[in-house]
Amino acid sequence: KNEVEQSPQNLTAQEGEFITINCSYSVGISALHWLQQHPGGGIVSLFMLSSGKKKHGRLIATINIQEKHSSLHITASHPRDSAVYICAVTSGGSNYKLTFGKGTLLTVNP
Amino acid sequence: DVKVTQSSRYLVKRTGEKVFLECVQDMDHENMFWYRQDPGLGLRLIYFSYDVKMKEKGDIPEGYSVSREKKERFSLILESASTNQTSMYLCASSLSGPEQYFGPGTRLTVT
Repeated sequence: KNEVEQSPQNLTAQEGEFITINCSYSVGISALHWLQQHPGGGIVSLFMLSSGKKKHGRLIATINIQEKHSSLHITASHPRDSAVYICAVTSGGSNYKLTFGKGTLLTVNP
Repeated sequence: DVKVTQSSRYLVKRTGEKVFLECVQDMDHENMFWYRQDPGLGLRLIYFSYDVKMKEKGDIPEGYSVSREKKERFSLILESASTNQTSMYLCASSLSGPEQYFGPGTRLTVT
């Protein structure tokens, strides 16, 4: 079974700062997902990637398959970015099941 | 846009009650999932279904059952609710690949 570790567990930043959240996993994967969950809200998919880098607005996700590591970057952070960010992987030949990290709680102060 | 809806946002039940949580998706997705989310543990898969009337156990199926009689609807059943089933329950669906679409969640409290 794949183990997914995220760091840090909690992160507090000032508005405008550059933020990095890290995710590592233990065995090969077919895809890695970054998800966002606002307080009391549902979960939204930010990125799904299997190699390289993806960018959407101020968010950038990268993955290094050899090192089994991914990062989520937020440039010019804003209080509305405050949320839980969750890393999840699809592996083991299954297209159905996700294995989740425990999440990173990000708080961006004005 | 894919829409996944759940029958209740908040639910309070008593120990021993039978509880039904319903999930409906409107995009003809084949796969549907039930997760629970607890502080410090993250999301854990309870059950999933890859077709009507087909189901598979996830990582923590004990104390739960599911029903999928129609493609768009996937129900989670707590036969006899217990306090350790107090949690946030999230439903998700997917077409054939790994990308999943999540519902808003149901926060269940069992007293």
